[in-house]
Amino acid sequence: DGGITQSPKYLFRKEGQNVTLSCEQNLNHDAMYWYRQDPGQGLRLIYYSQIVNDFQKGDIAEGYSVSREKKESFPLTVTSAQKNPTAFYLCASSIGGQGNTEAFFGQGTRLTVV
Amino acid sequence: GQQLNQSPQSMFIQEGEDVSMNCTSSSIFNTWLWYKQEPGEGPVLLIALYKAGELTSNGRLTAQFGITRKDSFLNISASIPSDVGIYFCAGRHVYNAGGTSYGKLTFGQGTILTVHP
Repeated sequence: DGGITQSPKYLFRKEGQNVTLSCEQNLNHDAMYWYRQDPGQGLRLIYYSQIVNDFQKGDIAEGYSVSREKKESFPLTVTSAQKNPTAFYLCASSIGGQGNTEAFFGQGTRLTVV
Repeated sequence: GQQLNQSPQSMFIQEGEDVSMNCTSSSIFNTWLWYKQEPGEGPVLLIALYKAGELTSNGRLTAQFGITRKDSFLNISASIPSDVGIYFCAGRHVYNAGGTSYGKLTFGQGTILTVHP
């Protein structure tokens, strides 16, 4: 089945450590996105990528890094520079460009700093 | 960046009632999307709108792309308990840079819907 997969579902990190969240899609989508969701709030864009080897900062990119070496994969690294990393992280993908632009989401990763 | 205002923030209704929520933007969007999110899960796409004035239905859900391209609404008719969740609008703005088209989704803050049996 086609879809977008995030792993792990739950992740615990010690303060001062970097951690990488995985996002893989087999929908042949060009565009991929990372969002952060805090309790009771909407989704805020961290980074997005329209094509392989290209990505753009979103509204809250500080303390995060991404790579887009393959079309199927868009991993997000939460660095120690991110002051408040505990949140629910959502990855999405879409066909991209000016065509059909629905974005489909993964199940999310809940990151907790301990 | 674009600002999206979604209202109301929350709704408490009785089963069988109709629901209406809307989003307004400070700038024009090319696409409007409506999602539903259940606790601990990713948002699921409900309806996509591509043209100003477009009115689209999906079962008991109806959404419209405003004529000005700066607003959209979602209606749910005859609500049922499983309609409970957070509903998000999202707008997509397309821009060109260096010969490449870019687009990003901007989300509203969400409407928390509670349905009492």
